[in-house]
Amino acid sequence: AQTVTQSQPEMSVQEAETVTLSCTYDTSESDYYLFWYKQPPSRQMILVIRQEAYKQQNATENRFSVNFQKAAKSFSLKISDSQLGDAAMYFCALQGGSEKLVFGKGTKLTVNP
Amino acid sequence: DTGVSQDPRHKITKRGQNVTFRCDPISEHNRLYWYRQTLGQGPEFLTYFQNEAQLEKSRLLSDRFSAERPKGSFSTLEIQRTEQGDSAMYLCASSSGSSGSTYEQYFGPGTRLTVT
Repeated sequence: AQTVTQSQPEMSVQEAETVTLSCTYDTSESDYYLFWYKQPPSRQMILVIRQEAYKQQNATENRFSVNFQKAAKSFSLKISDSQLGDAAMYFCALQGGSEKLVFGKGTKLTVNP
Repeated sequence: DTGVSQDPRHKITKRGQNVTFRCDPISEHNRLYWYRQTLGQGPEFLTYFQNEAQLEKSRLLSDRFSAERPKGSFSTLEIQRTEQGDSAMYLCASSSGSSGSTYEQYFGPGTRLTVT
């Protein structure tokens, strides 16, 4: 079975500061993908960033970057220069061996002005 | 491109009633997914279609649940004899691509079901 664990139910950050959200996962698949999704309050889920497991280079998307540690099965998200619009639930997700996404329980990020 | 749409956005029903939700994917997407999200949890996979074929079903999808995608375009999810435990947000997502490849899943706004 594949599992995704997000150990931080809530995090907060000051505007313009940097925050890191943690995620660990478990899979027996050798080929898999990892994602971070953002779900703002009462709005739909959108993809923030994705990482292919076969790629050693960490993915980056503007202010968002990941630290992918394959041996440790760790996939953390770093948000730099945090903005008020970054406030949302963030979900880590794993896709491997089938089409379905397996999600963690999420981390609620609050951005303080 | 208007994105993934779902209808209705909210549904309140009494226990024992049947409900049906509709999902319209992004027009060129051949893959369609249903997930369920309860309060404080991440989405859980229910089922997946490639075109009109239902290729994978979760054990969460009991025999009271049925999903269809008759013409490979929109999809419906029906819950028969609803129970209070069915109260959740039902999310639909779609993606493009061929078998064996991974493409971004675009999510709809969801249908929030409340069973009283």
